[in-house]
Amino acid sequence: GEDVEQSLFLSVREGDSSVINCTYTDSSSTYLYWYKQEPGAGLQLLTYIFSNMDMKQDQRLTVLLNKKDKHLSLRIADTQTGDSAIYFCAESIGTDKLIFGTGTRLQVFP
Amino acid sequence: DAEITQSPRHKITETGRQVTLACHQTWNHNNMFWYRQDLGHGLRLIHYSYGVQDTNKGEVSDGYSVSRSNTEDLPLTLESAASSQTSVYFCASSEGTSWDEQFFGPGTRLTVL
Repeated sequence: GEDVEQSLFLSVREGDSSVINCTYTDSSSTYLYWYKQEPGAGLQLLTYIFSNMDMKQDQRLTVLLNKKDKHLSLRIADTQTGDSAIYFCAESIGTDKLIFGTGTRLQVFP
Repeated sequence: DAEITQSPRHKITETGRQVTLACHQTWNHNNMFWYRQDLGHGLRLIHYSYGVQDTNKGEVSDGYSVSRSNTEDLPLTLESAASSQTSVYFCASSEGTSWDEQFFGPGTRLTVL
């Protein structure tokens, strides 16, 4: 079945790097996404990667995709307190639908 | 600017009552989605629509219904609210091309007593 899994919590010190991991199940996904949810708000697209890519870098964000292991990760360099949020990975399943992971709550402490 | 709105933002109701949550988007997107967010489950798809008069069941559709009479709106109805439906509900929309970015509303927090 369709199942996207993430660890629930991650705590990092300000200035360190954060790595949020995700495993997905549908090998036919075209795109994989990272969404960010700030407190009391809806989700916003943070970044994405096309399935034929291994890596994508966007300023402080690095997305790594291992298709063989169906593993996706998001690395945030120089993590700031403003990065504290819930991060969701999501995979597209070819019918305009997205399957979201359980979300990882990132807490950044001084 | 185009946007997606939800109303109400907060709702308290009693078990057995019918409740309708509104979702309105001004992007003219074909696709619209309803999710519920619960701790430990992430976002789960309730219903979705690919266009006017089209509706489809998602992963957790029991006890919910939707209708799509125009492009802009996809109201979500709880026919007889249950305590298990206490949750935060998000509406989203997307263009309906191979690019699946979904734009989310601010959410509705529903409490069923």
